Amino acid sequence: KAGVTQTPRYLIKTRGQQVTLSCSPISGHRSVSWYQQTPGQGLQFLFEYFSETQRNKGNFPGRFSGRQFSNSRSEMNVSTLELGDSALYLCASSLVWGAGYTEAFFGQGTRLTVV
Amino acid sequence: QQQVKQSPQSLIVQKGGISIINCAYENTAFDYFPWYQQFPGKGPALLIAIRPDVSEKKEGRFTISFNKSAKQFSLHIMDSQPGDSATYFCAASNANTGNQFYFGTGTSLTVIP
Repeated sequence: KAGVTQTPRYLIKTRGQQVTLSCSPISGHRSVSWYQQTPGQGLQFLFEYFSETQRNKGNFPGRFSGRQFSNSRSEMNVSTLELGDSALYLCASSLVWGAGYTEAFFGQGTRLTVV
Repeated sequence: QQQVKQSPQSLIVQKGGISIINCAYENTAFDYFPWYQQFPGKGPALLIAIRPDVSEKKEGRFTISFNKSAKQFSLHIMDSQPGDSATYFCAASNANTGNQFYFGTGTSLTVIP
């Protein structure tokens, strides 16, 4: 069974540009969450999608957005990139939403560097 | 405000020893407490998880102890091995907010041969 696949693995972007990251969840999983990991702030929740709907959102500016497709694949977009957006962006896949005690499985992440 | 506080920040243990990592939380609505292990260049991997109606859960060399009244939980790694050297994160979530996890700040574990 394939795990969570995130593409690309590495990205270098210039300040002011925008970027789109992709996540394919485990087959059969319908919930996708996104996290930002930095040395200073640790792992922080961005948002979660289930059945193509955003279910909850973390405390990030509107420059961070996402969507989910009917096949459960998800993309996140960051517009007007800032140097502080440099981070490892992680996608987590879960079977359902809101059922409690649901295991979340992470991908290897996309390392974004903003220069 | 850090919803889940984790300590220590780093830990060095001899091979064969016991590694203990502690976490504390304030939100009594949390109802699921997983631990993740992360190696450099990799995403976090689910190690073991516990629910608040259980005081202890053991899987192989890994044990979670949970103290609901103290709002604390800990990870014990028995017979620590060099291959256990990684960063460990505790986390907490509430079913009402889906799979939104609040993570601790991480513990860098080094097991010396």
